[in-house]
Amino acid sequence: TQLLEQSPQFLSIQEGENLTVYCNSSSVFSSLQWYRQEPGEGPVLLVTVVTGGEVKKLKRLTFQFGDARKDSSLHITAAQPGDTGLYLCAGVTGNQFYFGTGTSLTVIP
Amino acid sequence: DAGITQSPRHKVTETGTPVTLRCHQTENHRYMYWYRQDPGHGLRLIHYSYGVKDTDKGEVSDGYSVSRSKTEDFLLTLESATSSQTSVYFCALRVLVNTEAFFGQGTRLTVV
Repeated sequence: TQLLEQSPQFLSIQEGENLTVYCNSSSVFSSLQWYRQEPGEGPVLLVTVVTGGEVKKLKRLTFQFGDARKDSSLHITAAQPGDTGLYLCAGVTGNQFYFGTGTSLTVIP
Repeated sequence: DAGITQSPRHKVTETGTPVTLRCHQTENHRYMYWYRQDPGHGLRLIHYSYGVKDTDKGEVSDGYSVSRSKTEDFLLTLESATSSQTSVYFCALRVLVNTEAFFGQGTRLTVV
């Protein structure tokens, strides 16, 4: 089992605040993905990072892959209520996706 | 949209009864997966398939079996449901071009 731990598990912030979610593992992955899930729906891919140290930006979201390809972070700038949801990281090795424990984010208007 | 549907969307069943969940895709993707999602555990892999009649176990396969007799259908069976199998079950397929896991909408199963 290739365990990915996310922190924090729950996060409740005011609109306009910044936040960072962490995804840590002792395993090396060929790539790392972040998904967002809304209630009653399946997770939807936000981004894939492949290279150690890689940084990708998606509007107000910044994703970083650790140099050793074992960990990742998701930073949201000026959070909005529409960012509310469950964020899941996933390590990809071969044809397997290993999902993290999830971070439930609530952005209060 | 990778054309993936799960059925049923909700089911309540009694302990000890068999239950089969269906995952159907319309685009001929080779790799398909069954996950269960429980609070604090994220998504855990039950079984996966890499082609017709080719399946393998995931990390939480005890009490579950799968079958894939056609590319488009991947079935998950709980041989004798237990309360610990109350969960939300997600089917996913791998879109090879970008290594994306594309998910169905989930099946909420309650075992009473």
